[in-house]
Amino acid sequence: KQEVTQIPAALSVPEGENLVLNCSFTDSAIYNLQWFRQDPGKGLTSLLLIQSSQREQTSGRLNASLDKSSGRSTLYIAASQPGDSATYLCAVMNYGGSQGNLIFGKGTKLSVKP
Amino acid sequence: GAGVSQTPSNKVTEKGKYVELRCDPISGHTALYWYRQSLGQGPEFLIYFQGTGAADDSGLPNDRFFAVRPEGSVSTLKIQRTERGDSAVYLCASSRTVRETQYFGPGTRLLVL
Repeated sequence: KQEVTQIPAALSVPEGENLVLNCSFTDSAIYNLQWFRQDPGKGLTSLLLIQSSQREQTSGRLNASLDKSSGRSTLYIAASQPGDSATYLCAVMNYGGSQGNLIFGKGTKLSVKP
Repeated sequence: GAGVSQTPSNKVTEKGKYVELRCDPISGHTALYWYRQSLGQGPEFLIYFQGTGAADDSGLPNDRFFAVRPEGSVSTLKIQRTERGDSAVYLCASSRTVRETQYFGPGTRLLVL
């Protein structure tokens, strides 16, 4: 059974720092991996999607990498801003089985202090 | 264009009552998903539709939960005989086709007293 773990559970950094959020998964047979952002009381906003054949994806100050064989992904945020404060969720879609089921980690709650 | 919308945004009900939660997906998206998120947890899959049919309902916790999508667009999640443990945020998502990026709605916060 696929399990997704995110470390750390919470992170507080001063504005301007570069930071890395970690995601690990137990079954490397994934179809894709997606990073989401969730603001308090809101739904999820998709940030980046990495297909299993890709190594990384970039969008603005965000860069996500994928090492499928070791079951790891990282989300790199450059020059963090207070507006980046949110919970970041990692989710994988397995290659086999259900084609619609995203399996989520519990998230990392990020706080960027001005 | 409009995103995924969900109604109501909040629902308070009493134990034992019946509730319906509605999801309007992005126009043209054939795949629609329901997830449930408890406090401090990531979303957990409930069911997904490809068109009008439920392609995978393996995440529904028991037979009190049922979902429909009769015309391949709007979906309704139905919960019978609600229990306090059903209290959570119910999230809906849609994607252009299955396995593509899922776009989430704001969720319905259900509180069962």
